[in-house]
Amino acid sequence: KAGVTQTPRYLIKTRGQQVTLSCSPISGHRSVSWYQQTPGQGLQFLFEYFSETQRNKGNFPGRFSGRQFSNSRSEMNVSTLELGDSALYLCASSQGTGSEKLFFGSGTQLSVL
Amino acid sequence: AQRVTQPEKLLSVFKGAPVELKCNYSYSGSPELFWYVQYSRQRLQLLLRHISRESIKGFTADLNKGETSFHLKKPFAQEEDSAMYYCAQANAGGTSYGKLTFGQGTILTVHP
Repeated sequence: KAGVTQTPRYLIKTRGQQVTLSCSPISGHRSVSWYQQTPGQGLQFLFEYFSETQRNKGNFPGRFSGRQFSNSRSEMNVSTLELGDSALYLCASSQGTGSEKLFFGSGTQLSVL
Repeated sequence: AQRVTQPEKLLSVFKGAPVELKCNYSYSGSPELFWYVQYSRQRLQLLLRHISRESIKGFTADLNKGETSFHLKKPFAQEEDSAMYYCAQANAGGTSYGKLTFGQGTILTVHP
């Protein structure tokens, strides 16, 4: 079974630009969650999608948004990038029926210059 | 707000010694608690889940509601246990739907 796939692996952007990150969950998983990982703040929950609907949301500004497609693949978008958005963005998938085990991707390392 | 505290950023032990990684949570109800591990150059993966007692590599953790703790233990550490360990909690009742609150992590180094 293929694991969670995140693309691209690395991204370099400048302030003010926008970026889209992609996540393909494990086959059969309907839930996709996104996390931001930084040395200072650790792992912080962004949002979770299930059956194309956002079901849970963390405390991030509206510049951070996401969506999920009918095949459960998910994208995360960050608009008007700030230097502080530099981070590793992790995606995790699960069956979505409760607080079950999350399967994480390798992440997208975003650097904002 | 939920909070998970891992008081030790770094922990070093020798091979064969017992190891305990501390974790305290703040949820007042009955949380669902997890330990996740990230080995060098690998993905974050589940190590142990309290509700199902699912565990790998000989680690155990006991929930102490009085002390709101969920410390991770292993009686005899191995060099391959060297990794970053994260404690995490979810809301009780299975309603967190992928939303975990993570601690800051503890880097465990097991020396030969």
